[in-house]
Amino acid sequence: RKEVEQDPGPFNVPEGATVAFNCTYSNSASQSFFWYRQDCRKEPKLLMSVYSSGNEDGRFTAQLNRASQYISLLIRDSKLSDSATYLCVVNNGGDSGAGSYQLTFGKGTKLSVIP
Amino acid sequence: DVKVTQSSRYLVKRTGEKVFLECVQDMDHENMFWYRQDPGLGLRLIYFSYDVKMKEKGDIPEGYSVSREKKERFSLILESASTNQTSMYLCASSLSGQGLTDTQYFGPGTRLTVL
Repeated sequence: RKEVEQDPGPFNVPEGATVAFNCTYSNSASQSFFWYRQDCRKEPKLLMSVYSSGNEDGRFTAQLNRASQYISLLIRDSKLSDSATYLCVVNNGGDSGAGSYQLTFGKGTKLSVIP
Repeated sequence: DVKVTQSSRYLVKRTGEKVFLECVQDMDHENMFWYRQDPGLGLRLIYFSYDVKMKEKGDIPEGYSVSREKKERFSLILESASTNQTSMYLCASSLSGQGLTDTQYFGPGTRLTVL
């Protein structure tokens, strides 16, 4: 069974804080990795893809450790608008075929940024 | 901008009714997906389709069927709705790239209540 595990939180942090989320996945054949953000009562939206070398987008940094099957998301200088649930997402394996189209979603980590 | 629309935001049906949930995307994406999202369980894949008239079972297909007669439209059918199918239903689409999984774009969701 393909699993993606996340700490459900909630993480309650003050504005300006740095917060890190971690995620582990069980399927060693996974090739694509993402962080999605879901606001309350809204649909998930892509926050960023995660690349092997690590990547940064403004205040957000994502890291991937294939050997440990571990993904992280770091948010610096937290804003009130960062309050949401963050979903760790991996594809079901391979770089072609039906498995590559499917994604497995973690249950999400809830973040509340407080004034 | 990718747009995925779903026919209803809220739907209330009675046990035993046949229910149709419609999803339309306007970006000529090959892949379309139906998920349900429940508290504590996260997003679970019901069915997906990687081409017109093609369909594949996801993790929880029991009690559901799908139809993809046109590329832009993917329908989820509950043949005989039951109370345990009360949930948030999310449709998504993605482009088939060469190799790795492409981003999935979600519709706003349909909150279905079965009485």
